[in-house]
Amino acid sequence: EVQLVESGGGLVQPGGSLRLSCAASGFPFSRDYMTWVRQAPGKGLELVANIKEDGSVLYYVDSVKGRFTISRDNTKNSLYLQMNSLRAEDTAVYYCARDYYYCIDVWGKGTTVTVSS
Amino acid sequence: QSALTQPPSASGSPGQSVTISCTGSSSDVGGHNYVSWYQQHPGKAPKLMIYEVSKRPSGVPDRFSGSKSGNTASLTVSGLQAEDEADYYCNSYAGSSTYVFGTGTKVTVL
Repeated sequence: EVQLVESGGGLVQPGGSLRLSCAASGFPFSRDYMTWVRQAPGKGLELVANIKEDGSVLYYVDSVKGRFTISRDNTKNSLYLQMNSLRAEDTAVYYCARDYYYCIDVWGKGTTVTVSS
Repeated sequence: QSALTQPPSASGSPGQSVTISCTGSSSDVGGHNYVSWYQQHPGKAPKLMIYEVSKRPSGVPDRFSGSKSGNTASLTVSGLQAEDEADYYCNSYAGSSTYVFGTGTKVTVL
C-alpha cells in the first residue's frame, strides 16, 4: 500500500523554526519527485515546494523563499521541510505528496503547523 | 502564478449531475493536458479523482468525468450521491515543474 505519513507539526512562536518529516512506503521513493502542499484554515491548497528524485530542488512558492528548505533522504525513504522565520501566515495543514508524471497523486494525512504567540 | 478560478459553490439533488468549471490561462490549463481534480472531505486529505484532464484512477467511480476546452477544464459528477458532498479542487501543471491549484468549489447534495 502506498503511504505517506507526516510528522513534526505543532505550535511555534513567530520567528521560530520547525522541521517537518514525511515517511514514505509502498512505492519506489527514490525514483519519484515529491512535494509539500499546504492549506491554511478555511482556505485552498497551495504548492509550497517540490524536489526531484536526486534531491535537486525544483520550486519554492515566493512567500517561503529564503525561509523554507525542502530536502530528502532516499536511504530513509523520507522527505523533509525545514521551516525557519515562521510567520502567522504560515499557519496551515502541511501535506506531503508524490509528484508523479505531472500529477500530484498520493497524499499524506497532513500535519498541522500553528504559528502564534 | 494566480490560482485557477472555480465557482465557490455548486449543488444538485441526489441522482442529478453537477459540473464544476476551472478557468486558467494558456500558461497552465490551456497549455498542458495535465489537469487533475481532487475531492476533499472536511478534515481529510485531498483525494485524486481525475488526472490528465479525463482519466480516472483505479477505484474512482465512472460517475466522475473530466474535460477541457481552451483555458477551461470541467469536472462533472453524474448521479450525485450523498457521499459526493465535499470540496473539489482542480490543479494544472504550469510549466517549469510548478503546479497551480484552483480556488475550490463546495458541492452540496440537496
